[in-house]
Amino acid sequence: QLQLQESGPGLVKPSETLSLTCTVSGGSISSSSYYWGWIRQPPGKGLEWIGSIYYSGSTYYNPSLKSRVTISVDTSKNQFSLKLSSVTAADTAVYYCARHLGDVYWGQGTLVTVSS
Amino acid sequence: DIQMTQSPSSLSASVGDRVTITCRASQSISSYLNWYQQKPGKAPKLLIYAASSLQSGVPSRFSGSGSGTDFTLTISSLQPEDFATYYCQQSRRASLTFGGGTKVEIK
Repeated sequence: QLQLQESGPGLVKPSETLSLTCTVSGGSISSSSYYWGWIRQPPGKGLEWIGSIYYSGSTYYNPSLKSRVTISVDTSKNQFSLKLSSVTAADTAVYYCARHLGDVYWGQGTLVTVSS
Repeated sequence: DIQMTQSPSSLSASVGDRVTITCRASQSISSYLNWYQQKPGKAPKLLIYAASSLQSGVPSRFSGSGSGTDFTLTISSLQPEDFATYYCQQSRRASLTFGGGTKVEIK
């Protein structure tokens, strides 16, 4: 069964770069035609798509975050990663990694707090 | 970009009530519309995919309809475990967009 697990620091300082990794088990990132992406949810608020990478390597980003976001994939480790630069308190959220092609298959999520 | 407008943002209902939530897309998305249920501290759970197909294991009291720009999620008889927040999501293109959510509370 497919599993996605987020990992990374739970606390990031303002102006620094948030870095998260999603480890995929039960399936190969490179062997199927899916998008692998990141979605976040600030405390008490709704869901916001951050961006995705296609299995071929093409990337797609939310225009509102595009200037600060990089998503990459490491097929040798079956992982994909998120980097969000110049973070502020507004970037405090639960960050989910996900697989999608139509509907979304979610990781469990990880809370990242931006605070000094 | 495709925007999704969901209404109402919250509602109060009683067990046994019929509940309807609507979602409108800013442009046609054919049937590329999914519905999720989210409970506190948990990832969203897929209820309906492709506008009207019931995800395996989801009770039949949940149903979805619509195509193009207007979509509806209906709970035919609200149960205690259905009190949660519901989101629509378009998947017309590689980018995803979610509705703002509808919180279903106990009356």
